[in-house]
Amino acid sequence: GDSVTQMEGPVTLSEEAFLTINCTYTATGYPSLFWYVQYPGEGLQLLLKATKADDKGSNKGFEATYRKETTSFHLEKGSVQVSDSAVYFCARGDGSARQLTFGSGTQLTVLP
Amino acid sequence: KAGVTQTPRYLIKTRGQQVTLSCSPISGHRSVSWYQQTPGQGLQFLFEYFSETQRNKGNFPGRFSGRQFSNSRSEMNVSTLELGDSALYLCASSFPGGENTEAFFGQGTRLTVV
Repeated sequence: GDSVTQMEGPVTLSEEAFLTINCTYTATGYPSLFWYVQYPGEGLQLLLKATKADDKGSNKGFEATYRKETTSFHLEKGSVQVSDSAVYFCARGDGSARQLTFGSGTQLTVLP
Repeated sequence: KAGVTQTPRYLIKTRGQQVTLSCSPISGHRSVSWYQQTPGQGLQFLFEYFSETQRNKGNFPGRFSGRQFSNSRSEMNVSTLELGDSALYLCASSFPGGENTEAFFGQGTRLTVV
């Protein structure tokens, strides 16, 4: 079945460091790809999305590019802040967001 | 515009009991999806409702059921609770519209089974 494989955590970085969280997905169909973020005690917030190959999603300094040739959707940020500390989830949906398949999540901690 | 509202936020139940969780979607959204989040299994899709009909179902036992009302509000029910049902239950609403659909999540209901 469809799956999403996400970089194992936890990840600990110093403030202003570069962030990469790897994500790969199964290539069946034409999935839409998403990154969600979860802060402690909260639900999921959509961070960014891409709906077709070579699309780049971006928001709040985070970016991810839909790479069909490598079935990847890696999350990057050039300079992380303490407030970026959260759990990040990569997800795929089959053309919509009604039924999402999530990766296992990556806990990010940014130290001042 | 109000977001997705889930009630209650926290719930403690005893093994063998049943529980009903509620989700009010964003106004105008007609699709509601439910997910279970646990430390061991991560986020897993339970089911999706659109126009009062269940359209998709995940791999969960029949003890997990749901319904959707004409105003798009949804409820999920778990009968004969087991300790392993302890989880954060998340609901998401979306406005079906092809590839640009986004899912908006509520804050979840934290269910503890003792």
